[in-house]
Amino acid sequence: KNEVEQSPQNLTAQEGEFITINCSYSVGISALHWLQQHPGGGIVSLFMLSSGKKKHGRLIATINIQEKHSSLHITASHPRDSAVYICAVNGETSGSRLTFGEGTQLTVNP
Amino acid sequence: GAGVSQSPSNKVTEKGKDVELRCDPISGHTALYWYRQSLGQGLEFLIYFQGNSAPDKSGLPSDRFSAERTGGSVSTLTIQRTQQEDSAVYLCASSRKGSTGSSYNEQFFGPGTRLTVL
Repeated sequence: KNEVEQSPQNLTAQEGEFITINCSYSVGISALHWLQQHPGGGIVSLFMLSSGKKKHGRLIATINIQEKHSSLHITASHPRDSAVYICAVNGETSGSRLTFGEGTQLTVNP
Repeated sequence: GAGVSQSPSNKVTEKGKDVELRCDPISGHTALYWYRQSLGQGLEFLIYFQGNSAPDKSGLPSDRFSAERTGGSVSTLTIQRTQQEDSAVYLCASSRKGSTGSSYNEQFFGPGTRLTVL
């Protein structure tokens, strides 16, 4: 079992829909990251959080440390949101190295 | 300002040859990371440099892999005697600092080097 599990693996939505991607982890963490990878490979950091909730534009990330769970929400989804979304954690004992989930492939159709 | 840059963007090599991949981090970032993403696979940590400290090499898959960081800036990842299973996208990232207690920093990723071993 991977230390970081994401669901779903693949997600197809219609433009305008509210989207949720989930991440569960099995180790103690100091921080959790949400990353976005577009076709062509470039990776962008969306959020880094260790508690509570963060919002940036149409994106919202939440984390529940007790339940070892985080969610990434996209409101009013758009085709340009189509990408792979990756959850990654800084383990309490692993310092700065990130442990990654397998990613969620999101496709938003017009 | 300039982001993280990597070169080459693509590298095709023959099995058994050595390759060097280069990463230029964002100026002033003291932490530098190498990751690997094999086709259809998730991202995998390889090595981490923080300032003048000894690097964390715990993710390197074999002794054919090595990396150095000169002058606390540019880093080179070297793969000796390449094998077909080394084919992957090699990503470099940097951050202002690595771990300090419970303080972590956002990592900025380069565009990657796509390595193909024939």
